[in-house]
Amino acid sequence: DIQMTQSPSSLSASVGDRVTISCQASQDISNHLNWYQQRPGKAPRLLIYDASNLGAGVPSRFSGGGSGTDFTFTISSLQPEDVATYYCQQYDNLLLFTFGPGTKVDIK
Amino acid sequence: QVQLVQSGAEVRQPGASVKVSCKASGYTLTSYYMHWVRQAPGQGLEWMGVINPSGGITSYAQKLQGRVSISRDTSTSTVNMELSSLTSDDTAVYYCARLGILGYFDSWGQGTLVTVSS
Repeated sequence: DIQMTQSPSSLSASVGDRVTISCQASQDISNHLNWYQQRPGKAPRLLIYDASNLGAGVPSRFSGGGSGTDFTFTISSLQPEDVATYYCQQYDNLLLFTFGPGTKVDIK
Repeated sequence: QVQLVQSGAEVRQPGASVKVSCKASGYTLTSYYMHWVRQAPGQGLEWMGVINPSGGITSYAQKLQGRVSISRDTSTSTVNMELSSLTSDDTAVYYCARLGILGYFDSWGQGTLVTVSS
């Protein structure tokens, strides 16, 4: 199975700060990488698909990049409503998926 | 609109099995793969497995192989997930999630809490 790592596991930043999260796959997954946001008690919400494509209705302050094994997720200007845990998720094929361990984002 | 409605919370003893259902509406069940994802209290998301409701083909996370089974009933537009030989480590919220045409989960059930306790 493909393993996913994320760093950092948590971070605290000020409103308006730029925030970047890294995600690494244990083998080449091309651009088959999605990013989700999960607020406490809620189901996850898609933010970025195929590494760099913004999901429908997702604010433009969210962005993603990378390919192969190394990926990044960025919030260009952190807002209070962005307090959540962020997960990367890979799909090597349509029958095997893996989530990263998550990054918890708080406001300083 | 697309809706995934899951069955209610369950409590089981260690060693027992549990079956969670996910009823789909607003679209044709056989047109989209359905996945199951779980989340233990205070922990991250764990992918469990998937079914292609059209042909019934399934795939499971290696960690759960032999204990998990996903099935579908096209007559009721329902996908079921059964987990056996439960331990306290299986206490979690279980979600069904539809895989959209762009390769991401575009709809989620409301989650079902399964508690394993003696």
